[in-house]
Amino acid sequence: AQKVTQAQTEISVVEKEDVTLDCVYETRDTTYYLFWYKQPPSGELVFLIRRNSFDEQNEISGRYSWNFQKSTSSFNFTITASQVVDSAVYFCALSEVNDMRFGAGTRLTVKP
Amino acid sequence: GAVVSQHPSWVICKSGTSVKIECRSLDFQATTMFWYRQFPKQSLMLMATSNEGSKATYEQGVEKDKFLINHASLTLSTLTVTSAHPEDSSFYICSARVGQRRYEQYFGPGTRLTVT
Repeated sequence: AQKVTQAQTEISVVEKEDVTLDCVYETRDTTYYLFWYKQPPSGELVFLIRRNSFDEQNEISGRYSWNFQKSTSSFNFTITASQVVDSAVYFCALSEVNDMRFGAGTRLTVKP
Repeated sequence: GAVVSQHPSWVICKSGTSVKIECRSLDFQATTMFWYRQFPKQSLMLMATSNEGSKATYEQGVEKDKFLINHASLTLSTLTVTSAHPEDSSFYICSARVGQRRYEQYFGPGTRLTVT
């Protein structure tokens, strides 16, 4: 069964628009970690954020913000005032005791 | 931050040959390392998990005799693709955990394998 679901395969926005990338996860562990990564065309993963299961505080980092809600098993990522450089594939990942697994990814295209 | 290297970054090999990919944690000890495979426009799929000094644990559907993983030291894991075929062409990414910290996992830059 898919443990991390990113329902949005592709999103296209115009520069300066806000965009939210959805992530829903499934786990039986009480302690787990959630991540967001950015993958530019080069392929190398860029770490964006990590959240543990006991910390539901939302986080803001510049134009990026994350909303973690255990009640709905969601960890959504919002980019405010998107820029062309934000164009990439974004992955949500779940780290449990034995491994880390990724969602299918969302390809974001920001048009000028 | 911690650094994980992979070598080579890209490789082209002929069908039927074997190719080895190295994954090194440069500034930390990695008790557990992971190998992922990513086909074009797809996600990272976990292939196997290896613990130093132990046999790797393979995901369902991954042929252990075809993808040989050796985690001989706390800083080095290797993936050998044996008798490669064109369908093995993919982007292979390794990852390493810092000790037992599952919240601290670092990824290598990936190796692009093309089998002709």
